[in-house]
Amino acid sequence: EVQLLESGGTWIQPGGSLSLSCAASGFNFNNYAMSWVRQAPGKGLEWASSISGSGASTYYAASVKGRFTISRDNSKNTVHLQMHSLRAEDTAIYYCAKLGSMAGADYWGQGTLVTVSS
Amino acid sequence: DIQMTQSPSSLSASVGDRVTITCRASQSISSYLNWYQQKPGKAPKLLIYAASTLQGGVPSRFSGSGSGTDFTLSISSLQPEDFATYYCQESYSTLMYTFGQGTKLEIK
Repeated sequence: EVQLLESGGTWIQPGGSLSLSCAASGFNFNNYAMSWVRQAPGKGLEWASSISGSGASTYYAASVKGRFTISRDNSKNTVHLQMHSLRAEDTAIYYCAKLGSMAGADYWGQGTLVTVSS
Repeated sequence: DIQMTQSPSSLSASVGDRVTITCRASQSISSYLNWYQQKPGKAPKLLIYAASTLQGGVPSRFSGSGSGTDFTLSISSLQPEDFATYYCQESYSTLMYTFGQGTKLEIK
């Protein structure tokens, strides 16, 4: 059974840094791209960042580029999102998602809440 | 960047109705289009990928069609559990994806 378990979400002040982690199990992890998708309170879904199966290729939405870094450890089946210079508008539930056929996100974690506020 | 526009943004319907949601891409994306359902407090669920392929376990009352720039998600006979928010997502550019703004389907 595929499982994705996010951790690391918390309340943090503007300008701070935070690292999110996603522990994956139940599939051949290094064969699949992974993504972080976020959802601000009461808003729609935003694709924040993606990483290829090998980790060689990454993508960042314009709203997070230069502040967020995605990485993965294929030996530990984990994907990370390092977030710096956090802003109030980064407040959201952050979901970890596995990308399947045609880059459809076929499995999702339960989400972890990041609140950026003074 | 590719922009995705869904319509309508909200929709009221009754159990048993047939509904259709439209998604339009700002450029041709071939069949690189996926649909999701999200219920309050839950993670999204993949319904359809590659524009028209039903994800495993998804009821056959859901269907998708389209290619190029115009796509539709149809639900043939609404069930109570179908009232949710639906999102389209393009996957044309490697690792660079965009969601539509969502369509909230409510009970009339």
